[in-house]
Amino acid sequence: DAGVIQSPRHEVTEMGQEVTLRCKPISGHDYLFWYRQTMMRGLELLIYFNNNVPIDDSGMPEDRFSAKMPNASFSTLKIQPSEPRDSAVYFCASTRDRGEYNEQFFGPGTRLTVL
Amino acid sequence: AQSVTQLGSHVSVSEGALVLLRCNYSSSVPPYLFWYVQYPNQGLQLLLKYTTGATLVKGINGFEAEFKKSETSFHLTKPSAHMSDAAEYFCAVTPRGSQGNLIFGKGTKLSVKP
Repeated sequence: DAGVIQSPRHEVTEMGQEVTLRCKPISGHDYLFWYRQTMMRGLELLIYFNNNVPIDDSGMPEDRFSAKMPNASFSTLKIQPSEPRDSAVYFCASTRDRGEYNEQFFGPGTRLTVL
Repeated sequence: AQSVTQLGSHVSVSEGALVLLRCNYSSSVPPYLFWYVQYPNQGLQLLLKYTTGATLVKGINGFEAEFKKSETSFHLTKPSAHMSDAAEYFCAVTPRGSQGNLIFGKGTKLSVKP
C-alpha cells in the first residue's frame, strides 16, 4: 500500500513568493493533519480535517497560511506571501476513525527554504 | 493545557547498552501516550502507544515503554542498543477520546557508538 504522499520533497523559494505544498492521504483515511517541524518550536499541529472539513485550525500561524481539502484524496497547504521564518519541514499525516485512537501515518515531509 | 517534556535533547549509548529515553507529561487526566521515531530525512513512524490496559507496552524494534500514572511518565527503553536505533525519538500525547491534536515533546536524538 502506498503511504502518505507529499510533494514536493524540497522547495526553495524567495521571500514574497507563493508556496503550495501537496498531500495525498492513505486511501480510506478520513482524518488529515498538517504539522510543521522547526528547530525552535519542534513539531506542532497546524490544522486538521475530518471528512474533508477543517476541524481545528488554531495552529495556523497567521493569515498568510491557508489549507484546503477539496476531496478525500488531496489536500494543499498554501503560504502567501512566504517569509524566511516559514522555513521548516512540513508533514502531512492521516488516520482512520475506528472508535478509539488510531495511529497517524506520516508522509516523508516537504523541506521548505525561504530565502 | 497538556504538555510533554523529554529530558535530554541528545543521548549517546554504546552498542549493546541499555537505552532509556525519558518522557513526562502534564495533564490532569492521563492522556493517550505515544513514542514516534524519525530517521534522517524521513517522516515519523509510530513505535508504540498506550491507551488503556496493561501499563507496560511493547513496540516495534524491541522497544517498550511503561506508563506510570503516579510519576506522570512514559519512559522508553530497549535492553540492548543497535546501530540502526540511531534516530530522533519523540514522545507525544493527545487527550483521551481525541482524534486530533498530537502534542509532541522536543525530541531526543539517540546516537549509538560502536
